[in-house]
Amino acid sequence: AQSVTQPDIHITVSEGASLELRCNYSYGATPYLFWYVQSPGQGLQLLLKYFSGDTLVQGIKGFEAEFKRSQSSFNLRKPSVHWSDAAEYFCAVGLSNFGNEKLTFGTGTRLTIIP
Amino acid sequence: SAVISQKPSRDICQRGTSLTIQCQVDSQVTMMFWYRQQPGQSLTLIATANQGSEATYESGFVIDKFPISRPNLTFSTLTVSNMSPEDSSIYLCSARRTSEQETQYFGPGTRLLVL
Repeated sequence: AQSVTQPDIHITVSEGASLELRCNYSYGATPYLFWYVQSPGQGLQLLLKYFSGDTLVQGIKGFEAEFKRSQSSFNLRKPSVHWSDAAEYFCAVGLSNFGNEKLTFGTGTRLTIIP
Repeated sequence: SAVISQKPSRDICQRGTSLTIQCQVDSQVTMMFWYRQQPGQSLTLIATANQGSEATYESGFVIDKFPISRPNLTFSTLTVSNMSPEDSSIYLCSARRTSEQETQYFGPGTRLLVL
């Protein structure tokens, strides 16, 4: 079964600083990879996704992520964070098995922004 | 992206009672899913809501506790039956559009507190 690991439970960065959130997956083939963000009291919003092709994908709100097959990683980056980026970030792996599609989520990384 | 709404947005219920959560999508979708997010935790898939047939439940979740309906392509309900305080969670509906491979969009969630 596939699994997703987000090793950082909580990260604090200063506003304007760069950000990298780590995500590692375990799966026998190239999975579908996603990053979602959950602001306090909100549902999940899709930031970006990777299915195939260019391993560097651009998302909304200035985020990008890079798929590295050799490291089984899909880390999320942003060059300069804003106070509004404070939220919980979830990495997810998609599995398509004869149409029975599932997402497996990591445990999440809570991002705090300090002035 | 698909627009997904859920009702109610939050509720406080007494143990032993049941609550039905509604999920409405703005366009036709192929797959609809229900997730549970326990306090401070990640998302866990409860079941896949199938149109016109019984839902497909994940390990640890049963139809008697979480009956699901999907009478048409854009609407689904999840009932949390005979509630206990352990059922206090956020319940999220998600959907996948026909035109977007493997991508799930999420509703805002229903925040349930069981006393």
